Amino acid sequence: DTGVSQDPRHKITKRGQNVTFRCDPISEHNRLYWYRQTLGQGPEFLTYFQNEAQLEKSRLLSDRFSAERPKGSFSTLEIQRTEQGDSAMYLCASSYGTGHQPQHFGDGTRLSIL
Amino acid sequence: GQNIDQPTEMTATEGAIVQINCTYQTSGFNGLFWYQQHAGEAPTFLSYNVLDGLEEKGRFSSFLSRSKGYSYLLLKELQMKDSASYLCAVRPYYNRRGQNFVFGPGTRLSVLP
Repeated sequence: DTGVSQDPRHKITKRGQNVTFRCDPISEHNRLYWYRQTLGQGPEFLTYFQNEAQLEKSRLLSDRFSAERPKGSFSTLEIQRTEQGDSAMYLCASSYGTGHQPQHFGDGTRLSIL
Repeated sequence: GQNIDQPTEMTATEGAIVQINCTYQTSGFNGLFWYQQHAGEAPTFLSYNVLDGLEEKGRFSSFLSRSKGYSYLLLKELQMKDSASYLCAVRPYYNRRGQNFVFGPGTRLSVLP
């Protein structure tokens, strides 16, 4: 068990550019979540996958954001036409199966928009 | 709507006991989780409550009262490494669609020598 891994750890880009982040969950976990966290705040839910199906999407997620989990393993989060307000830490988490299992988080990707 | 409140900051002394409170108002309830987050790192799971009462795990305990929408995390024998943010998270639903957590703003705890 190597934990949840996210890539890259840091991304700096100019406003208007597209960015893509990757998350590799813990291998036996079928559920995958994306959150956004800004300084001094708790994580905010963005979207959730069970296997390859995207089952829930926050109203916070504008149409510039899209997430995929094509084979039910790794996931990508893409932000198109980035804006200053997109600067945040993007956290991925995974969990397994039924019952009241905790979510296990990756170290996140810190996005800075210039 | 969903609303979770925690104190913003707390300070305590090494070796002491500290209680971090969390109150919540959510459209449903299916479990409350506490996470620890050191600056620049991932949140790590500490404890879980779904029924009323106290759950103890080493130096950490967590309490839940569903009727009051209230939980606390108790940290005993504080160590310097306990300086971190503590996040309270509620899972409002448990069904195929609703699996997300709603997080509070976090309480930043500073442990002083």
